[in-house]
Amino acid sequence: AQKVTQAQTEISVVEKEDVTLDCVYETRDTTYYLFWYKQPPSGELVFLIRRNSFDEQNEISGRYSWNFQKSTSSFNFTITASQVVDSAVYFCALTGGTSYGKLTFGQGTILTVHP
Amino acid sequence: GAVVSQHPSWVICKSGTSVKIECRSLDFQATTMFWYRQFPKQSLMLMATSNEGSKATYEQGVEKDKFLINHASLTLSTLTVTSAHPEDSSFYICSARTVGQALSGALHFGNGTRLTVT
Repeated sequence: AQKVTQAQTEISVVEKEDVTLDCVYETRDTTYYLFWYKQPPSGELVFLIRRNSFDEQNEISGRYSWNFQKSTSSFNFTITASQVVDSAVYFCALTGGTSYGKLTFGQGTILTVHP
Repeated sequence: GAVVSQHPSWVICKSGTSVKIECRSLDFQATTMFWYRQFPKQSLMLMATSNEGSKATYEQGVEKDKFLINHASLTLSTLTVTSAHPEDSSFYICSARTVGQALSGALHFGNGTRLTVT
């Protein structure tokens, strides 16, 4: 069985602060894929990143960065210099190579960035 | 880029009626589509996997007779909530997997449908 845990239910920061959203996963698959999605109040899921289990290289995209550590089964997401527009619910998700596309989502982290 | 269109965006219906939600891939073929449900302030839970031309596979605890899924073509899957009740009120969202690169095809989500049953 697969499991994704986002221990932080809610995070509140002030604009320009850096914030890290944690994600820990469990899977028995040797090949798997990890995702991060942003869900604004309107409800749609905005794709942020996909990372496969063989690629542990960290990634940076603008103010966003991701730290993938297989040794600790974690895939953390950092927003640098947060902005009010970053306020949303963020989901970490996992799919296995044997059932690709069936996503197991974490509980989500509500991020509120105050001006 | 690849787009998945989901319709309607929101719907209000009376208890006991049925509601059909469409998930359409606009510029790619999707052999497989997935349906998720999200209750307020909760996470997304997979309901079923829809494969073109075959019966859907439902997750444990999801009533297949209540949530009818049809995937008649490579670009369209529909979810029908039959005899809806207030407890079915939720946000339903679909995703589609592209045909190419079987194990790593991109996943594209629709914008979701907010169902309210009165």
